[in-house]
Amino acid sequence: GENVEQHPSTLSVQEGDSAVIKCTYSDSASNYFPWYKQELGKGPQLIIDIRSNVGEKKDQRIAVTLNKTAKHFSLHITETQPEDSAVYFCAAGGSYIPTFGRGTSLIVHP
Amino acid sequence: EPEVTQTPSHQVTQMGQEVILRCVPISNHLYFYWYRQILGQKVEFLVSFYNNEISEKSEIFDDQFSVERPDGSNFTLKIRSTKLEDSAMYFCASSLGGRYSDTQYFGPGTRLTVL
Repeated sequence: GENVEQHPSTLSVQEGDSAVIKCTYSDSASNYFPWYKQELGKGPQLIIDIRSNVGEKKDQRIAVTLNKTAKHFSLHITETQPEDSAVYFCAAGGSYIPTFGRGTSLIVHP
Repeated sequence: EPEVTQTPSHQVTQMGQEVILRCVPISNHLYFYWYRQILGQKVEFLVSFYNNEISEKSEIFDDQFSVERPDGSNFTLKIRSTKLEDSAMYFCASSLGGRYSDTQYFGPGTRLTVL
Protein backbone atom coordinates (compact mmCIF):
# COMPACT_ATOMS: atom_id res chain seq x y z
CA GLY A 1 0.00 0.00 0.00
CA GLU A 2 0.87 3.68 -0.03
CA ASN A 3 3.20 5.11 2.60
CA VAL A 4 3.37 8.85 3.22
CA GLU A 5 6.14 10.44 5.24
CA GLN A 6 5.81 14.05 6.40
CA HIS A 7 8.47 16.36 7.82
CA PRO A 8 8.99 18.19 10.04
CA SER A 9 6.66 17.14 12.83
CA THR A 10 6.90 20.61 14.37
CA LEU A 11 7.77 23.90 12.69
CA SER A 12 8.16 27.17 14.52
CA VAL A 13 8.50 30.43 12.57
CA GLN A 14 8.26 34.15 13.12
CA GLU A 15 5.36 36.06 11.67
CA GLY A 16 6.19 37.10 8.13
CA ASP A 17 8.61 34.24 7.52
CA SER A 18 7.96 31.42 5.06
CA ALA A 19 7.15 27.87 6.10
CA VAL A 20 7.79 24.72 4.09
CA ILE A 21 6.40 21.28 4.86
CA LYS A 22 7.55 18.26 2.88
CA CYS A 23 5.99 14.91 2.13
CA THR A 24 7.17 11.84 0.30
CA TYR A 25 5.07 8.98 -0.98
CA SER A 26 5.85 5.48 -2.15
CA ASP A 27 3.21 4.48 -4.71
CA SER A 28 3.88 5.85 -8.18
CA ALA A 29 0.19 5.29 -9.01
CA SER A 30 -0.83 8.10 -6.64
CA ASN A 31 -2.11 11.06 -8.63
CA TYR A 32 -3.88 13.31 -6.16
CA PHE A 33 -2.19 15.18 -3.32
CA PRO A 34 -4.35 17.28 -1.00
CA TRP A 35 -3.19 19.35 1.93
CA TYR A 36 -5.39 19.83 4.99
CA LYS A 37 -5.26 22.35 7.80
CA GLN A 38 -6.58 21.23 11.16
CA GLU A 39 -7.21 23.87 13.80
CA LEU A 40 -7.64 22.94 17.43
CA GLY A 41 -10.96 21.20 18.00
CA LYS A 42 -11.90 21.13 14.33
CA GLY A 43 -11.80 18.65 11.50
CA PRO A 44 -9.25 18.78 8.69
CA GLN A 45 -10.08 21.39 6.08
CA LEU A 46 -8.77 21.20 2.53
CA ILE A 47 -6.56 24.20 1.78
CA ILE A 48 -5.01 23.23 -1.54
CA ASP A 49 -4.54 20.19 -3.69
CA ILE A 50 -2.51 19.22 -6.70
CA ARG A 51 -2.94 16.55 -9.31
CA SER A 52 -0.19 14.66 -11.04
CA ASN A 53 -0.54 16.50 -14.33
CA VAL A 54 0.87 19.74 -12.87
CA GLY A 55 4.07 20.53 -11.03
CA GLU A 56 2.99 23.58 -9.06
CA LYS A 57 -0.17 25.27 -7.89
CA LYS A 58 -0.57 28.54 -6.05
CA ASP A 59 -3.41 30.14 -4.14
CA GLN A 60 -2.50 33.51 -2.62
CA ARG A 61 0.07 32.83 0.11
CA ILE A 62 -0.10 29.05 -0.27
CA ALA A 63 1.62 26.99 -2.93
CA VAL A 64 2.20 23.31 -3.48
CA THR A 65 4.88 21.73 -5.62
CA LEU A 66 5.02 18.17 -6.87
CA ASN A 67 7.98 16.17 -8.12
CA LYS A 68 6.61 12.89 -9.44
CA THR A 69 10.00 11.53 -10.34
CA ALA A 70 11.26 11.91 -6.82
CA LYS A 71 7.84 11.16 -5.33
CA HIS A 72 7.72 14.18 -3.12
CA PHE A 73 5.48 17.20 -2.73
CA SER A 74 5.71 20.27 -0.56
CA LEU A 75 3.51 22.95 0.94
CA HIS A 76 4.84 26.48 0.96
CA ILE A 77 3.27 29.24 3.03
CA THR A 78 4.66 32.74 2.55
CA GLU A 79 4.25 35.75 4.82
CA THR A 80 3.01 33.58 7.65
CA GLN A 81 0.48 34.99 10.10
CA PRO A 82 -0.45 33.83 13.61
CA GLU A 83 -3.73 32.47 12.25
CA ASP A 84 -1.74 30.05 10.10
CA SER A 85 -0.86 28.21 13.32
CA ALA A 86 -2.42 24.74 13.04
CA VAL A 87 -1.60 21.15 12.21
CA TYR A 88 -1.11 20.53 8.49
CA PHE A 89 -1.58 17.11 6.91
CA CYS A 90 -0.55 15.98 3.49
CA ALA A 91 -2.17 13.03 1.79
CA ALA A 92 -1.59 10.94 -1.33
CA GLY A 93 -4.18 9.03 -3.26
CA GLY A 94 -6.39 9.29 -6.29
CA SER A 95 -7.37 5.87 -7.42
CA TYR A 96 -7.79 4.56 -3.92
CA ILE A 97 -8.16 5.62 -0.34
CA PRO A 98 -6.00 8.64 0.51
CA THR A 99 -3.15 7.95 2.90
CA PHE A 100 -2.34 10.77 5.30
CA GLY A 101 0.97 11.92 6.66
CA ARG A 102 1.49 12.22 10.40
CA GLY A 103 0.99 15.97 10.40
CA THR A 104 3.11 19.06 11.03
CA SER A 105 2.34 21.39 13.88
CA LEU A 106 3.05 24.90 12.57
CA ILE A 107 3.50 27.60 15.18
CA VAL A 108 3.70 31.20 13.99
CA HIS A 109 5.02 33.56 16.64
CA PRO A 110 3.79 37.17 16.47
CA GLU B 1 -21.39 27.66 2.98
CA PRO B 2 -22.65 24.10 3.47
CA GLU B 3 -20.72 21.99 5.94
CA VAL B 4 -20.61 18.53 7.44
CA THR B 5 -21.91 18.39 11.00
CA GLN B 6 -21.32 15.73 13.64
CA THR B 7 -22.92 14.90 16.98
CA PRO B 8 -22.06 14.58 19.74
CA SER B 9 -18.86 16.59 19.94
CA HIS B 10 -17.66 14.42 22.82
CA GLN B 11 -18.86 10.96 23.87
CA VAL B 12 -17.70 9.19 26.99
CA THR B 13 -18.57 5.53 27.38
CA GLN B 14 -17.67 2.46 29.36
CA MET B 15 -15.71 -0.35 27.76
CA GLY B 16 -18.07 -2.89 26.22
CA GLN B 17 -20.86 -0.41 25.59
CA GLU B 18 -22.28 0.40 22.18
CA VAL B 19 -21.93 3.90 20.77
CA ILE B 20 -23.44 5.57 17.75
CA LEU B 21 -21.74 8.56 16.20
CA ARG B 22 -23.84 10.73 13.96
CA CYS B 23 -23.05 12.81 10.93
CA VAL B 24 -25.04 14.98 8.57
CA PRO B 25 -23.15 15.19 5.27
CA ILE B 26 -23.46 18.05 2.82
CA SER B 27 -26.89 17.69 1.30
CA ASN B 28 -26.06 17.08 -2.37
CA HIS B 29 -23.09 14.84 -1.68
CA LEU B 30 -23.34 11.18 -2.55
CA TYR B 31 -20.26 9.62 -1.00
CA PHE B 32 -19.62 9.39 2.72
CA TYR B 33 -16.64 8.44 4.79
CA TRP B 34 -15.50 7.81 8.34
CA TYR B 35 -11.97 8.42 9.52
CA ARG B 36 -10.30 7.98 12.87
CA GLN B 37 -7.50 9.95 14.48
CA ILE B 38 -5.92 8.63 17.64
CA LEU B 39 -4.48 11.47 19.71
CA GLY B 40 -1.27 12.75 18.18
CA GLN B 41 -1.36 10.36 15.26
CA LYS B 42 -2.33 10.50 11.62
CA VAL B 43 -5.83 10.45 10.23
CA GLU B 44 -6.79 6.89 9.25
CA PHE B 45 -9.46 5.81 6.81
CA LEU B 46 -12.18 3.53 8.17
CA VAL B 47 -14.88 3.16 5.55
CA SER B 48 -16.53 4.69 2.49
CA PHE B 49 -20.23 4.43 1.70
CA TYR B 50 -22.25 5.00 -1.44
CA ASN B 51 -25.74 4.12 -2.52
CA ASN B 52 -26.51 2.51 0.83
CA GLU B 53 -23.56 0.18 0.63
CA ILE B 54 -20.04 0.04 1.91
CA SER B 55 -17.76 0.61 -1.06
CA GLU B 56 -14.46 0.20 0.72
CA LYS B 57 -13.22 -0.43 4.23
CA SER B 58 -9.88 -0.61 5.96
CA GLU B 59 -8.57 -3.38 8.18
CA ILE B 60 -9.45 -1.21 11.18
CA PHE B 61 -13.14 -1.49 10.27
CA ASP B 62 -13.77 -4.94 11.74
CA ASP B 63 -17.01 -6.64 12.77
CA GLN B 64 -17.39 -4.30 15.74
CA PHE B 65 -18.06 -1.42 13.37
CA SER B 66 -21.05 -0.76 11.16
CA VAL B 67 -22.37 2.18 9.18
CA GLU B 68 -25.83 3.16 8.19
CA ARG B 69 -27.75 5.87 6.43
CA PRO B 70 -31.04 5.53 8.27
CA ASP B 71 -32.75 8.40 6.48
CA GLY B 72 -32.03 10.94 3.79
CA SER B 73 -29.74 13.08 5.86
CA ASN B 74 -27.94 11.15 8.62
CA PHE B 75 -24.93 8.88 8.31
CA THR B 76 -23.99 6.90 11.40
CA LEU B 77 -21.06 4.90 12.69
CA LYS B 78 -21.84 2.27 15.30
CA ILE B 79 -19.28 0.57 17.48
CA ARG B 80 -20.91 -2.47 19.02
CA SER B 81 -18.68 -3.20 21.99
CA THR B 82 -16.18 -0.44 22.59
CA LYS B 83 -12.60 -1.13 23.60
CA LEU B 84 -10.12 1.20 25.26
CA GLU B 85 -8.21 1.45 22.00
CA ASP B 86 -11.29 2.84 20.26
CA SER B 87 -10.68 6.14 22.05
CA ALA B 88 -10.00 8.64 19.28
CA MET B 89 -11.44 11.49 17.25
CA TYR B 90 -13.84 10.22 14.62
CA PHE B 91 -14.34 12.35 11.55
CA CYS B 92 -17.09 12.06 9.02
CA ALA B 93 -16.51 13.37 5.51
CA SER B 94 -18.53 13.62 2.33
CA SER B 95 -17.83 14.27 -1.32
CA LEU B 96 -19.86 14.94 -4.41
CA GLY B 97 -18.03 12.43 -6.56
CA GLY B 98 -16.74 9.01 -5.67
CA ARG B 99 -13.21 9.15 -6.93
CA TYR B 100 -10.71 9.54 -4.16
CA SER B 101 -9.45 12.58 -6.01
CA ASP B 102 -12.76 14.33 -5.41
CA THR B 103 -12.58 16.84 -2.61
CA GLN B 104 -13.72 15.44 0.71
CA TYR B 105 -15.22 17.82 3.24
CA PHE B 106 -14.65 16.90 6.86
CA GLY B 107 -16.88 17.48 9.85
CA PRO B 108 -15.55 18.81 13.17
CA GLY B 109 -15.28 15.35 14.66
CA THR B 110 -16.55 13.43 17.67
CA ARG B 111 -14.11 12.76 20.46
CA LEU B 112 -14.79 9.26 21.79
CA THR B 113 -13.39 8.40 25.19
CA VAL B 114 -13.69 4.79 26.33
CA LEU B 115 -13.13 4.23 30.04
